[in-house]
Amino acid sequence: GAGVSQSPSNKVTEKGKDVELRCDPISGHTALYWYRQSLGQGLEFLIYFQGNSAPDKSGLPSDRFSAERTGGSVSTLTIQRTQQEDSAVYLCASSPLSGGGYGYTFGSGTRLTVV
Amino acid sequence: DQQVKQNSPSLSVQEGRISILNCDYTNSMFDYFLWYKKYPAEGPTFLISISSIKDKNEDGRFTVFLNKSAKHLSLHIVPSQPGDSAVYFCAGTSGTYKYIFGTGTRLKVLA
Repeated sequence: GAGVSQSPSNKVTEKGKDVELRCDPISGHTALYWYRQSLGQGLEFLIYFQGNSAPDKSGLPSDRFSAERTGGSVSTLTIQRTQQEDSAVYLCASSPLSGGGYGYTFGSGTRLTVV
Repeated sequence: DQQVKQNSPSLSVQEGRISILNCDYTNSMFDYFLWYKKYPAEGPTFLISISSIKDKNEDGRFTVFLNKSAKHLSLHIVPSQPGDSAVYFCAGTSGTYKYIFGTGTRLKVLA
């Protein structure tokens, strides 16, 4: 597609439920990133995928968070047993190269609200 | 430890005037800095970047200045336009894919 597509755009879930957030990167972009923005905070790095290399999961806040990228394209971020502090906007981004000043292209994000 | 700080949460500027958005960082290993602009309900969009070997980069109405000794960068928008009203994030990276973002500054350009 022309841009990074994320779904759903909004998700309200009950505390304790699992959620899946989806990201379709720009076709041909080998690097894919997940960030989140909590209220009043900057964008917080979660996870990075590059081609067939092992992902950098160092930003995942707990073992309730996991992500996968199938076929080097679509990625799914899964949050198990959601907590209220998981409420945030989850942003996916992709880039043709990684590192330096190339910049990412972000999707519009998924606003997650845990009630 | 907040490695990138944007101490002004908001800024209002008259149309046609200069907007100056500031950013401070603590990590001396950063070698690239970037500015992103974000409109409501949209993802951030890349605006301009600067390498740590430069002290200025210009793109149209947007100029980024880097003062390495002060660990400070700023984004200048001249002249400011109402369409520039958005949240601006600065970010730093130490040659990796991981960008460290500030908390953003909301710019409002008054017509």
